[in-house]
Amino acid sequence: QSVLTQPPSASGTPGQRVTISCSGTSSNIGSNYVHWYQQLPGAAPKILVYRNNQRPSGVPDRFSGSKSGTSASLAISGLRSEDEADYYCSAWDDSLSGLLFGGGTHLTVL
Amino acid sequence: QVQLQESGPGLVRPSETLSLTCTVSGGSINNYYWSWIRQSAERGLEWIGRVYISGSTNYNPSLQGRVAISLDTSKNQFSLKLSPVTAADTAIYYCARERGFLGTDLWGQGTLVTVSS
Repeated sequence: QSVLTQPPSASGTPGQRVTISCSGTSSNIGSNYVHWYQQLPGAAPKILVYRNNQRPSGVPDRFSGSKSGTSASLAISGLRSEDEADYYCSAWDDSLSGLLFGGGTHLTVL
Repeated sequence: QVQLQESGPGLVRPSETLSLTCTVSGGSINNYYWSWIRQSAERGLEWIGRVYISGSTNYNPSLQGRVAISLDTSKNQFSLKLSPVTAADTAIYYCARERGFLGTDLWGQGTLVTVSS
């Protein structure tokens, strides 16, 4: 079981807004940046959001991240069929001195 | 642009050593952290560890004692050794570049390693 907790699944219809949560503790999310990754079927993960809410160039502004206390969220607005993928949160953990990943959320576009 | 490519055996016998190499092309390895991450259905994404240009390393505590990551700047490569392995180490292994607060911004395509006799 991952230390960073995500819902295993989420879904929405095209055009909708979906939010994926990531819950941690004071030693990880509470004191370090959160990053989000998108993994399309058969591909390696790709960074989607870094430093809580920053988007790398090329990532649409439909994707946005936020953090509050020991929790973080990824929001996807204007849902599209190509957004169907697995999404992972990640944060450094000061107690473990290691990088943690959430268990992943599979997003289905209905 | 910078690309990462994993290489190594796809099949390893139980109790033996898993050895993988990541070749960095299109850029220098002389900066950032260089990491290994694995993925299995049972454990999801799992960070194995990382090496910095200075040679300093950080490892996942759950793998401490079995893992070693090293850098070869002359070849622009970094490597992973995991020993001894069991079936639980069967996974897709990714090499990646960690840029601190910029996240893990570059990943190899991944290589499947199966531990089986």
